[in-house]
Amino acid sequence: NAGVTQTPKFRVLKTGQSMTLLCAQDMNHEYMYWYRQDPGMGLRLIHYSVGEGTTAKGEVPDGYNVSRLKKQNFLLGLESAAPSQTSVYFCASSNPGQGANEQYFGPGTRLTVT
Amino acid sequence: GQSLEQPSEVTAVEGAIVQINCTYQTSGFYGLSWYQQHDGGAPTFLSYNALDGLEETGRFSSFLSRSDSYGYLLLQELQMKDSASYFCAVRSRNTPLVFGKGTRLSVIA
Repeated sequence: NAGVTQTPKFRVLKTGQSMTLLCAQDMNHEYMYWYRQDPGMGLRLIHYSVGEGTTAKGEVPDGYNVSRLKKQNFLLGLESAAPSQTSVYFCASSNPGQGANEQYFGPGTRLTVT
Repeated sequence: GQSLEQPSEVTAVEGAIVQINCTYQTSGFYGLSWYQQHDGGAPTFLSYNALDGLEETGRFSSFLSRSDSYGYLLLQELQMKDSASYFCAVRSRNTPLVFGKGTRLSVIA
């Protein structure tokens, strides 16, 4: 099993450009999450999904959109990138209920916006 | 809202024991989790406490006191490979995990 995979691993964008980050999991998990991690800030939840076709806002959703068209995939979109969105982005997945305390993370995408 | 407090940095000697504390404020508390993250890597799950007391997994143990809104991660027989960041995370009713800002552990010889 590959677990949680993320594409791409690195990306440099210019201000105003758009992009989509792809997350895929092969563990049949119901829940999926997108986090951003900045130095000294820990992990902050952007959006999450509790099942195919559902999404919800996390702590820092502004400037991002998500879609969960298939159970195994969770897409994070930046419509108009800003330098403040320079960060490392992690996708995670988990089972529901008590399983939501044990999240499995992808390797991360390092995004720089210039 | 929810908030978590943990020390930003801890240094300990190889072979020793270190305790990383976490205090939290939340309503509808479900449980406290701990994650480890090495530099450049992804967070990995270590432990979860829903009830008061100590949970032991090898060299790592995690403790929870619900009445004190407090928990800690205990690492024994420290090894150089334990140098990493450690995050506590709290889960509450109807909300996903909220992570603390992390404690950077440096193990020195």
